[in-house]
Amino acid sequence: NAGVTQTPKFRILKIGQSMTLQCTQDMNHNYMYWYRQDPGMGLKLIYYSVGAGITDKGEVPNGYNVSRSTTEDFPLRLELAAPSQTSVYFCASTTTSGSYEQYFGPGTRLTVT
Amino acid sequence: DQQVKQNSPSLSVQEGRISILNCDYTNSMFDYFLWYKKYPAEGPTFLISISSIKDKNEDGRFTVFLNKSAKHLSLHIVPSQPGDSAVYFCAASAIYDYKLSFGAGTTVTVRA
Repeated sequence: NAGVTQTPKFRILKIGQSMTLQCTQDMNHNYMYWYRQDPGMGLKLIYYSVGAGITDKGEVPNGYNVSRSTTEDFPLRLELAAPSQTSVYFCASTTTSGSYEQYFGPGTRLTVT
Repeated sequence: DQQVKQNSPSLSVQEGRISILNCDYTNSMFDYFLWYKKYPAEGPTFLISISSIKDKNEDGRFTVFLNKSAKHLSLHIVPSQPGDSAVYFCAASAIYDYKLSFGAGTTVTVRA
């Protein structure tokens, strides 16, 4: 099992550009999440999904969009990138089997200049 | 508002001694608590957890203590090893919520 994979690992965007961060999990987990981590801060939830076709906003959704067409994939779309979106982005997944443990990908470091 | 707080941004400890990391929470609906460990340029990895029906959980060198009345939990690492140098995040979830609220993290440095 590869677990949770994310691409790209690094990206530099200019202000106003758009991009999609990819996330795939091979554990057949129903729940998937996107977080951002800013320096000295904890992880903030951007969006989450409880299954294919179902998504919902987290704590900091503004400037982002998501879709969940399959169980495995949960891409995060940034439209009109802004310097405030400079951060490290983590995708995670879990199964609702009683454990609340989330499995994280390696992260994408995004810089918007 | 920050529902999970880790008030110590950093901790330095000598190899072989005990590391104690603290975490406070404000949401009385939180029912399950987790600790994650994170190395630079990697994603967080699960370390240990505890549910509200327990006050202690051990896994090898790691022990988590929960004081529900004080809304406080702590992670003890005994003995500390150089490989324990990392950022440790405390996280909490309400029952059946499956969303985690994270603290800001504590950077642990284990000195040889």
